[in-house]
Amino acid sequence: AQTVTQSQPEMSVQEAETVTLSCTYDTSENNYYLFWYKQPPSRQMILVIRQEAYKQQNATENRFSVNFQKAAKSFSLKISDSQLGDTAMYFCAFSKAAGNKLTFGGGTRVLVKP
Amino acid sequence: DSGVTQTPKHLITATGQRVTLRCSPRSGDLSVYWYQQSLDQGLQFLIQYYNGEERAKGNILERFSAQQFPDLHSELNLSSLELGDSALYFCASSLSATPYNEQFFGPGTRLTVL
Repeated sequence: AQTVTQSQPEMSVQEAETVTLSCTYDTSENNYYLFWYKQPPSRQMILVIRQEAYKQQNATENRFSVNFQKAAKSFSLKISDSQLGDTAMYFCAFSKAAGNKLTFGGGTRVLVKP
Repeated sequence: DSGVTQTPKHLITATGQRVTLRCSPRSGDLSVYWYQQSLDQGLQFLIQYYNGEERAKGNILERFSAQQFPDLHSELNLSSLELGDSALYFCASSLSATPYNEQFFGPGTRLTVL
């Protein structure tokens, strides 16, 4: 079974600064996908970024980028130029390549301060 | 708006009762997923349907059942409700059953069991 661990329950960052969220996972699969989801106070789950394990290049989406270290089973999310609207819970998630069941970490609450 | 609709938004019921949660996927999506978000268990996958067939099962209790109808909408039935079943229940949909296609989440149904 796969497990996803987010070791930081809560983080705060000043507006316009950078914050990095940690995620580690455990799997025996060689092909898989990793995701970061954002859950703002509205509770809506929104996909922020995803990474396919067979791609060595780290994914980027505007101000969001990941550092994917396959051997270390680490998948961190960097939010650059933080904005007030980035305040939310962030969940790291894993999915096998042959299936689409998402296994989530416990979440990290991010507070962006003005 | 993800295009996934869930009804009702809120549901308050008593222990021992039975409820049905409904989900309409995005137009064209064949796969539907159910997730439960609770304080105790975090976000966990319950069950997946693809084009009317059960595709994957997660930590779904025997008291819970689901189905996907020919028009692709899905229902999650929860019976003999217990206090611990209080949670936010998400439905998500995707075009296919693989993680290549993004899962889009609905706004959730907040279930409160008194």
